[in-house]
Amino acid sequence: DAKTTQPPSMDCAEGRAANLPCNHSTISGNEYVYWYRQIHSQGPQYIIHGLKNNETNEMASLIITEDRKSSTLILPHATLRDTAVYYCIVRRYFNQFYFGTGTSLTVIP
Amino acid sequence: SQTIHQWPATLVQPVGSPLSLECTVEGTSNPNLYWYRQAAGRGLQLLFYSVGIGQISSEVPQNLSASRPQDRQFILSSKKLLLSDSGFYLCAWSAGQSNEQFFGPGTRLTVL
Repeated sequence: DAKTTQPPSMDCAEGRAANLPCNHSTISGNEYVYWYRQIHSQGPQYIIHGLKNNETNEMASLIITEDRKSSTLILPHATLRDTAVYYCIVRRYFNQFYFGTGTSLTVIP
Repeated sequence: SQTIHQWPATLVQPVGSPLSLECTVEGTSNPNLYWYRQAAGRGLQLLFYSVGIGQISSEVPQNLSASRPQDRQFILSSKKLLLSDSGFYLCAWSAGQSNEQFFGPGTRLTVL
């Protein structure tokens, strides 16, 4: 399995962009990168996913390096409600997801 | 629309007692179903997944078992709980080859 490495915690000022990095140096060619977040005591929420190209949706943008060994999740204008643990996940098979310890993002007023 | 239910929301059980957590999904057919556990301060660990009735795959050896008696019902069980079984248990579903997993509200289990 391709494993992921994320910083344990980050702070971001409200209204600023939050850039959350993830390393996945052993990722294989057919593995996708997913991002989920978990607000305290709730189930994880899907944010975005990608394979090779950069992706954007209403929640965030995903930037994947050309060699695919790392990626960055960008929350363009962080709000207090974005305070959560963010998980970067590499999918091995369509029905298997492996969550690490994630990055605890705190948005500061 | 699809919804996923888990119960109970919280549970306190003595060591050595049995366990049964239930998860049901509405609004979809033939979902892939998953059980995860999140210990305090740790990430989510995939325990079991199922691609169909009676088909269960275990990801880690442990004191727990899972069953899928109906298409949209997934049950997590134990005959004798251990202290180390305490944690936040999450059920999730996905549709076929879909890229998204949808999580239930979770059950917080405390074993004393």
